[in-house]
Amino acid sequence: NAGVMQNPRHLVRRRGQEARLRCSPMKGHSHVYWYRQLPEEGLKFMVYLQKENIIDESGMPKERFSAEFPKEGPSILRIQQVVRGDSAAYFCASSPPDSPIDTQYFGPGTRLTVL
Amino acid sequence: QKEVEQNSGPLSVPEGAIASLNCTYSDRGSQSFFWYRQYSGKSPELIMFIYSNGDKEDGRFTAQLNKASQYVSLLIRDSQPSDSATYLCAVTGDYKLSFGAGTTVTVRA
Repeated sequence: NAGVMQNPRHLVRRRGQEARLRCSPMKGHSHVYWYRQLPEEGLKFMVYLQKENIIDESGMPKERFSAEFPKEGPSILRIQQVVRGDSAAYFCASSPPDSPIDTQYFGPGTRLTVL
Repeated sequence: QKEVEQNSGPLSVPEGAIASLNCTYSDRGSQSFFWYRQYSGKSPELIMFIYSNGDKEDGRFTAQLNKASQYVSLLIRDSQPSDSATYLCAVTGDYKLSFGAGTTVTVRA
């Protein structure tokens, strides 16, 4: 049973380009969370999604960042017009529906480097 | 005040010893508590979760929770070099995990 899948694992973009990060949750999981880990900093919550719904995007920067989790296909975190400060590791986590503990399992992450 | 605070480390312990990691949290409404292990350059890996006061043991790991003191800890018994990693404490009241900055543990052979 595959775990949480993320791709690409490494992504290099020049300033002003767009970055698209993909996440496929574990089989049977319908809740997806995105976290960002800046160099030498802790993990910070960005957004929580269920299929076709954004439940909580309180951790997302107000501009340039968006996320979706369509009915079919992976969840996408999109960063438009990237800047050097966006360089970080972006982790996706998933949890099963109706889990009383909301235990989240993390994918391998996408390491974004902005030149 | 940070939401979740961990002892700063780094923590160096000899092989076979007990490593003790501490975490305090500020939100009294927190309900679930997690310990993740993160090797350098890798993703967080769930070690244990706990949601009731007291101790919970899983192999060489024991999590302890005291909600009155807003304190959760992790003990690693018989520490092995493979336990060398950063340990992240995470707390949630709903679904949003709040992480501490992590404690880096080095087990000396």
